[in-house]
Amino acid sequence: AQSVAQPEDQVNVAEGNPLTVKCTYSVSGNPYLFWYVQYPNRGLQFLLKYITGDNLVKGSYGFEAEFNKSQTSFHLKKPSALVSDSALYFCAVRDTNDYKLSFGAGTTVTVRA
Amino acid sequence: EAGVAQSPRYKIIEKRQSVAFWCNPISGHATLYWYQQILGQGPKLLIQFQNNGVVDDSQLPKDRFSAERLKGVDSTLKIQPAKLEDSAVYLCASRESYEQYFGPGTRLTVT
Repeated sequence: AQSVAQPEDQVNVAEGNPLTVKCTYSVSGNPYLFWYVQYPNRGLQFLLKYITGDNLVKGSYGFEAEFNKSQTSFHLKKPSALVSDSALYFCAVRDTNDYKLSFGAGTTVTVRA
Repeated sequence: EAGVAQSPRYKIIEKRQSVAFWCNPISGHATLYWYQQILGQGPKLLIQFQNNGVVDDSQLPKDRFSAERLKGVDSTLKIQPAKLEDSAVYLCASRESYEQYFGPGTRLTVT
């Protein structure tokens, strides 16, 4: 069975500082990994994905994520956070043999001015 | 390109009543998903359709939940009768390639 862990319920950073949201995963085969963001009263918005290739993936709104196979991690990063990045972030994984996505519990990011 | 549409956006019902949610996926997307997102948790897959056929409904509480996608486009999710623990946001998503695109969700409150 596939699963995702987001070890931090909340991340608080000052505007302009680097932002990191952690994610580790477990799959039986090769992983497809995704990050989504959810703003209040909105659906999930796709940020980026790792399918294969370069371990550093660049996505929307200046976000990037690094795939680390040995640590089974896919941490989301942004070099300089904005107040508007405050939202709920979800990591998700699916096995290459299964289209079902498994989501983590989410990490609430608060960026203070 | 229009996104995934869902209605209603909010619904309040009493326990034991029935409720239905509607979803219109992105045009041309053959795969459609319904998720349940309970407050403080990540979305949990309820059912997956490929065109008008069910691919996975292993986590759908079939004694009270049902879903259909008759013409391979729109889909409805029904709960009958509702329980207090059904209070959640119900998300619809559709997929063309790797990523899923989500609608705004329907927030259900069961009192």
